[in-house]
Amino acid sequence: DQQVKQNSPSLSVQEGRISILNCDYTNSMFDYFLWYKKYPAEGPTFLISISSIKDKNEDGRFTVFLNKSAKHLSLHIVPSQPGDSAVYFCAASAMGNTPLVFGKGTRLSVIA
Amino acid sequence: DTEVTQTPKHLVMGMTNKKSLKCEQHMGHRAMYWYKQKAKKPPELMFVYSYEKLSINESVPSRFSPECPNSSLLNLHLHALQPEDSALYLCASSQVRGGLADTQYFGPGTRLTVL
Repeated sequence: DQQVKQNSPSLSVQEGRISILNCDYTNSMFDYFLWYKKYPAEGPTFLISISSIKDKNEDGRFTVFLNKSAKHLSLHIVPSQPGDSAVYFCAASAMGNTPLVFGKGTRLSVIA
Repeated sequence: DTEVTQTPKHLVMGMTNKKSLKCEQHMGHRAMYWYKQKAKKPPELMFVYSYEKLSINESVPSRFSPECPNSSLLNLHLHALQPEDSALYLCASSQVRGGLADTQYFGPGTRLTVL
């Protein structure tokens, strides 16, 4: 069973507009959530994280929103740039001896 | 500095070869990880080392043998691999908080091809 779900395999957005990537989770024990960006044949690059005590975290063009009651988080990229085109992975972890759990990723294409 | 380095960048090996992948970090992280990633899939956890001790082995076949010589280094020894083991092998490291790891920082990966 998938504990972290990214239901949109791909997303296309025009340059300058907002990109919104969504992630749902099922495990209520998750308390720390991360977004990674990945280019082909490279390692994932950490983008931004949020702990369960917050509902929003912002870093430059990237904002992550967490809705614990809905078990949903989203990553907003504003404004989107062509260099943002990559696969974005949502990941979650919980206190205890559980490792990071990844979603299947969403491929973002930002069109100039 | 959030750099994790991995060598080699590319590796081609035969099924009878023995090779090793290396990973290094100097961030003072006490947890290190090996992941395997196939195309269009998320990273798949293989091993976790916490304070230089193997804490998680995700039922990985014995042809993969991890080693953590010290807190900065992590090796993955490969022997008698199969073509289906061809993948991108990623190393990551993180702090440890309350028994649970924190943000993981990934290396660039080793692209392994088994012939």
